[in-house]
Amino acid sequence: EAAVTQSPRSKVAVTGGKVTLSCHQTNNHDYMYWYRQDTGHGLRLIHYSYVADSTEKGDIPDGYKASRPSQENFSLILELASLSQTAVYFCASSDGTEVFFGKGTRLTVV
Amino acid sequence: GQQVKQSSPSLTVQEGGISILNCDYENDMFDYFAWYKKYPDNSPTLLISVRSNVDKREDGRLTVFLNKSGKHFSLHITASQPEDTAVYLCAAGAGTGSKLSFGKGAKLTVSP
Repeated sequence: EAAVTQSPRSKVAVTGGKVTLSCHQTNNHDYMYWYRQDTGHGLRLIHYSYVADSTEKGDIPDGYKASRPSQENFSLILELASLSQTAVYFCASSDGTEVFFGKGTRLTVV
Repeated sequence: GQQVKQSSPSLTVQEGGISILNCDYENDMFDYFAWYKKYPDNSPTLLISVRSNVDKREDGRLTVFLNKSGKHFSLHITASQPEDTAVYLCAAGAGTGSKLSFGKGAKLTVSP
């Protein structure tokens, strides 16, 4: 079964601190994505990647960096966490058709 | 601006009835349309999807209707059951491996 694993599942971060959210997929998919979910906004795309060692900006990339060191791993980095980045973050992978999501990471910035 | 819009944030249907969820999109390049189901504190899971070369697809109790000229697609759930209660997200994308644009979601409640 397709699997996208996110870690941590929840995190409390201090404003101005660095946060790294990790994602690992065992689907052998080329495409990986990071979305955030906020009440009233649905899912919004932050960064995505079509291939290892390459990332692309999504619709709301400001304040975030991404890293795809291998096909299986895709990280989202908040260099200077801010209160407005409190949200649930979803990683996903795709073979170009169906998209599979991880269970999400609840990030609270205080 | 938001490329995919779900205008009704919530819907309540009696058990056994038909649930109809609607979605409008703006991008003419979208050629992939999907509906995801999400339970609280869980990940979205794909329910059903269509490509733009068809205007209807059925899968059990689920049917997706696509109206390309109206830039509109909908999900019909027949014989709605209490376990259908969840948030439903519509999504659309362009091309293979495309990044999906999601609607804000609609909460469906099926009452016994």
